[in-house]
Amino acid sequence: GENVEQHPSTLSVQEGDSAVIKCTYSDSASNYFPWYKQELGKRPQLIIDIRSNVGEKKDQRIAVTLNKTAKHFSLHITETQPEDSAVYFCAARDAGTYKYIFGTGTRLKVLA
Amino acid sequence: NAGVMQNPRHLVRRRGQEARLRCSPMKGHSHVYWYRQLPEEGLKFMVYLQKENIIDESGMPKERFSAEFPKEGPSILRIQQVVRGDSAAYFCASSSGTGNEPQHFGDGTRLSIL
Repeated sequence: GENVEQHPSTLSVQEGDSAVIKCTYSDSASNYFPWYKQELGKRPQLIIDIRSNVGEKKDQRIAVTLNKTAKHFSLHITETQPEDSAVYFCAARDAGTYKYIFGTGTRLKVLA
Repeated sequence: NAGVMQNPRHLVRRRGQEARLRCSPMKGHSHVYWYRQLPEEGLKFMVYLQKENIIDESGMPKERFSAEFPKEGPSILRIQQVVRGDSAAYFCASSSGTGNEPQHFGDGTRLSIL
């Protein structure tokens, strides 16, 4: 089955700087990769996703890149703001079981 | 279009009691997933259901835990004879299941065991 690893576990950046979170997956058949943001005490919320037929997707300050050959995908947040502080989870959808396999999360702190 | 609805938001039980957590998926969604989250930790998969079927329960303890998603009504996660270690946030998510679409989460049920 699919396995997803996420790094780093914690990340501190100065306001205005960029943040990058990386995930690797094991099953080359996986073809859908969402990213979720979870603020303290709240539910995970989808912020961006990418399908395996594209290499990059951007939505304002957030972008995701996918390298199918290397089996890794990354979240990029530019011009970070204090409200970006949260835990971010990557996930890969297992093509065989339709389960979503989550990474262990990255706690992002944006320092004002 | 209402999102994923979970109730109750908070549930307090004494050791040995039963806990029932409910989840109504988004309209048009027929796939439901339950996750458990401890403070400061990630999302631990428990069970994946479609209407009237358990697809994958590999993350759910064999004893005391059960889940169902009947033809009519919400999905229910049931924990019998609760223990202190069952205290956690339990999140439900739903998806359409028809392709590469995201799953959407409910607000969770915070279960506290006294």
